[in-house]
Amino acid sequence: QKEVEQNSGPLSVPEGAIASLNCTYSDRGSQSFFWYRQYSGKSPELIMSIYSNGDKEDGRFTAQLNKASQYVSLLIRDSQPSDSATYLCAVNINSWGKFQFGAGTQVVVTP
Amino acid sequence: GAVVSQHPSWVICKSGTSVKIECRSLDFQATTMFWYRQFPKKSLMLMATSNEGSKATYEQGVEKDKFLINHASLTLSTLTVTSAHPEDSSFYICSANSGGSNREEQFFGPGTRLTVL
Repeated sequence: QKEVEQNSGPLSVPEGAIASLNCTYSDRGSQSFFWYRQYSGKSPELIMSIYSNGDKEDGRFTAQLNKASQYVSLLIRDSQPSDSATYLCAVNINSWGKFQFGAGTQVVVTP
Repeated sequence: GAVVSQHPSWVICKSGTSVKIECRSLDFQATTMFWYRQFPKKSLMLMATSNEGSKATYEQGVEKDKFLINHASLTLSTLTVTSAHPEDSSFYICSANSGGSNREEQFFGPGTRLTVL
């Protein structure tokens, strides 16, 4: 069984601070990794994709991948109340693009 | 780009009736579509993978005769919940990708909230 693990939270972050979210995965052969944001009652929206070891930055978001440690993370800089949501880590597990999702980390940004 | 729509956004039906949910890719051809369900405060549960022109692949524990999936074209997949019962009440979400490779991002529709009375 291929697994993706995330801390469920809630992760409480003061406004303006950095939120750090972690994700580990079990399938060493996985090559593609994604972070989605899901607001309560809404569907997930893609934030970032990452395929190579190292960092990838997009605006206030930075994804980090370490395939040797089977670890992917997401940093949210200058956190805003609008960043309060559940963040889902997803790992591609087959050639059709099937994902294994983590259970999600709830982030609460406090003013 | 990469917009996926779903219809209806919400539906209330009586127990025993069937409900059809449509998922459309609006600006790309979706080789593969995925159907998920999500209960309140729970994670996404993949129900099935739908490839255009072929039968859907269902996840373990998902009844294929109850959840009928048809991927009739490269822009449309439908999920029919047959003989719905209150325990089928959930948030159903589809997603799509355009290439079927292992680098493809999935783009999600807005979801359909089903309530069975």
